[in-house]
Amino acid sequence: EAGVAQSPRYKIIEKRQSVAFWCNPISGHATLYWYQQILGQGPKLLIQFQNNGVVDDSQLPKDRFSAERLKGVDSTLKIQPAKLEDSAVYLCASSSRLAGNTQYFGPGTRLTVL
Amino acid sequence: GENVEQHPSTLSVQEGDSAVIKCTYSDSASNYFPWYKQELGKRPQLIIDIRSNVGEKKDQRIAVTLNKTAKHFSLHITETQPEDSAVYFCAAPRTGGFKTIFGAGTRLFVKA
Repeated sequence: EAGVAQSPRYKIIEKRQSVAFWCNPISGHATLYWYQQILGQGPKLLIQFQNNGVVDDSQLPKDRFSAERLKGVDSTLKIQPAKLEDSAVYLCASSSRLAGNTQYFGPGTRLTVL
Repeated sequence: GENVEQHPSTLSVQEGDSAVIKCTYSDSASNYFPWYKQELGKRPQLIIDIRSNVGEKKDQRIAVTLNKTAKHFSLHITETQPEDSAVYFCAAPRTGGFKTIFGAGTRLFVKA
């Protein structure tokens, strides 16, 4: 089966600019996650969707980050405006209850904020 | 808040030796314990996992043990090979992947 797809793979922007990332989960996976992974650290959960509803966004900096999954499939994560400390890899993952809730990760988007 | 502590942060072993990485979690609602391997510039890949109703699971050279009473679980790699060199992460989510917290990672070096 096809894996989790993400785009773009790399993005360089200046601080205060906006950026958006896209994720297409594994077909049939109802749960979608966005993680932020800063160099040298473990992934940090930003937001979790169950179908098109948010089940956890407690660690999402809501003053600048937003995410949506309108039709319960693809998702976008937006940062507006970006700060230097947002430089990181943004990983999308998906899981399915039928598959034991194992999270499968996409290749990530490496964001550099200058 | 809830936390997952992972030790050691760096581990260097000789090829053929064993490696052990340990994670301690605080959320008593965690019931699924996966281990991921991440090579440089790549995505995390699941290598083994264990559920709360099992104490040990083995897959060839890799095994995971779980002590729910003490709230810790460990990854064991036997007969290490240079290709095992990577960063390993543990995680401790609740049912349905809710409140997933990752450890800080262990960088494993296997010297040939």
